[in-house]
Amino acid sequence: DTTVKQNPRYKLARVGKPVNLICSQTMNHDTMYWYQKKPNQAPKLLLFYYDKILNREADTFEKFQSSRPNNSFCSLYIGSAGLEYSAMYLCASGYEQYFGPGTRLTVL
Amino acid sequence: GEKVEQHESTLSVREGDSAVINCTYTDTASSYFPWYKQEAGKSLHFVIDIRSNVDRKQSQRLTVLLDKKAKRFSLHITATQPEDSAIYFCAASMVNSGGSNYKLTFGKGTLLTVTP
Repeated sequence: DTTVKQNPRYKLARVGKPVNLICSQTMNHDTMYWYQKKPNQAPKLLLFYYDKILNREADTFEKFQSSRPNNSFCSLYIGSAGLEYSAMYLCASGYEQYFGPGTRLTVL
Repeated sequence: GEKVEQHESTLSVREGDSAVINCTYTDTASSYFPWYKQEAGKSLHFVIDIRSNVDRKQSQRLTVLLDKKAKRFSLHITATQPEDSAIYFCAASMVNSGGSNYKLTFGKGTLLTVTP
């Protein structure tokens, strides 16, 4: 089973409010990734875990937080959502990067 | 950092014809090149990859070619079918000294339309 699950599938948030997105996988993968995908743009890596080590991209370092309390679970946290955060957020796990279905975040 | 350019933003072919999607990359250290397919309303799905120790890899109707000198790689789909219609993303990554930790840089995607 190569299923990666994401919750919620759709999220509506107000500007300035926090957002927490969830990803889980049961494949015991060491690596988990979060991408931001906007229409007509390439998926943009936000951060990734290798085991418990978090690596955040330099240009999004302050905008996104994450936690990985166990190997199966990973969250993406936005402390104060802005309009520019509206996008699809994709979680992936494993070196081959199996992707979840995504969470569509709309910030109003 | 690495930059990946996907040259065709859209590509339309007739069913049964071949389709070719081309990508270039900038970092000579990149050594892993996967392709992903995104069907309408769905997430990305891995389809095929190639590593820099080979210059060609085939899986059924899909073939990936890698030209390290030109820093170019391409996806060839033969005998296209309507269900091949999707957005295809190329990506590139370095592999660390431990052979792991793929950090992918994606192209913007190519919308392939296969018309019956």
